[in-house]
Amino acid sequence: ELKVEQNPLFLSMQEGKNYTIYCNYSTTSDRLYWYRQDPGKSLESLFVLLSNGAVKQEGRLMASLDTKARLSTLHITAAVHDLSATYFCAVDWDSNYQLIWGAGTKLIIKP
Amino acid sequence: AAGVIQSPRHLIKEKRETATLKCYPIPRHDTVYWYQQGPGQDPQFLISFYEKMQSDKGSIPDRFSAQQFSDYHSELNMSSLELGDSALYFCASSLTRGSYEQYFGPGTRLTVT
Repeated sequence: ELKVEQNPLFLSMQEGKNYTIYCNYSTTSDRLYWYRQDPGKSLESLFVLLSNGAVKQEGRLMASLDTKARLSTLHITAAVHDLSATYFCAVDWDSNYQLIWGAGTKLIIKP
Repeated sequence: AAGVIQSPRHLIKEKRETATLKCYPIPRHDTVYWYQQGPGQDPQFLISFYEKMQSDKGSIPDRFSAQQFSDYHSELNMSSLELGDSALYFCASSLTRGSYEQYFGPGTRLTVT
């Protein structure tokens, strides 16, 4: 059974600080996704990581994937209030295209 | 650019009633996925369709059924509604099964009273 674990589940930080969210998964998968969700809103795709060593950056967010360690990280640089949201990682199997989700990390960035 | 359309956006039903949620995928997308997200929870995969056929099945209750029509839109039918069915229901579409990017609709918020 594929399991996806995120930590931390809740993160409160000050603007300007850096932090990292971790996503571990339990079985082999070559595709990992990061989504952002604002309260009561839809899921916005941030990154799709398709191979070992993949690194993608968009603004203050950078995601990486280590398939051997079954670990992805989402790094936030010099956080700003607008990044406050819940961030989910999700994984799918090669033979099964349903996404299995982490529990989400609720990020609050204080001015 | 066209996005995934879901209707209705909000729905209030009473226990034991039925509900039908609709999803219109992005044009040329032939694969549709349904997810349920309870308050404060992560999305749970329910079911998916590829080329009008059910392709994968997740934690969809027997009281729920779904189908994909010839124009690729999909409907999720929910019967004998229970209080625990109150949730956000998301539909996502992808270009084809195996295409790695899923695009999510705005969701339907179902409240069962």
